[in-house]
Amino acid sequence: GAGVSQSPSNKVTEKGKDVELRCDPISGHTALYWYRQSLGQGLEFLIYFQGNSAPDKSGLPSDRFSAERTGGSVSTLTIQRTQQEDSAVYLCASSLIGRGYEQFFGPGTRLTVL
Amino acid sequence: GESVGLHLPTLSVQEGDNSIINCAYSNSASDYFIWYKQESGKGPQFIIDIRSNMDKRQGQRVTVLLNKTVKHLSLQIAATQPGDSAVYFCAESPNTGNQFYFGTGTSLTVIP
Repeated sequence: GAGVSQSPSNKVTEKGKDVELRCDPISGHTALYWYRQSLGQGLEFLIYFQGNSAPDKSGLPSDRFSAERTGGSVSTLTIQRTQQEDSAVYLCASSLIGRGYEQFFGPGTRLTVL
Repeated sequence: GESVGLHLPTLSVQEGDNSIINCAYSNSASDYFIWYKQESGKGPQFIIDIRSNMDKRQGQRVTVLLNKTVKHLSLQIAATQPGDSAVYFCAESPNTGNQFYFGTGTSLTVIP
């Protein structure tokens, strides 16, 4: 594809439910990042995948958050037992290895937890 | 995480004027700095980067200045246009390839 795509674009869920957010990176980009952006806030780093190396999970806020990347391409961010404070825009980005300064972002998934 | 902050949360400029967006960082070991632009409803878009061994770097209508002494970064936009209206984020990292730490952002509004 031409860019990073994310789905769904919007997700409304009830407190306590699990949600899965999907990211399709740019073909050939082996680095993939997840960020969270709350209203009027900056980007909060969540997790980073680099090739076949173990992911950097240092930004995940709690054990309710997890992510995986299958086949070095598509990534899924899972939030279990969602809470209202999880409401935010979740952004995915990809880059070439060693070029993390030039990340290409997707449009984001807006998650609303009622 | 790293501490990256911005001096002004909002900035309004007249079309055609130059804009200066400032950013402070706290980690003196940071080696890489970048600026991103985020338009409403879209993901951030890379603008320009600078390494710590440089003081200045120019792009198309944009210039980034780095002052390592006071740990300050600025983005200058020449002849600001309405299409420049967006939120601008600075970010820093101790290396080139891994995660960057983003600031809160400055909202730039260009007045026609």
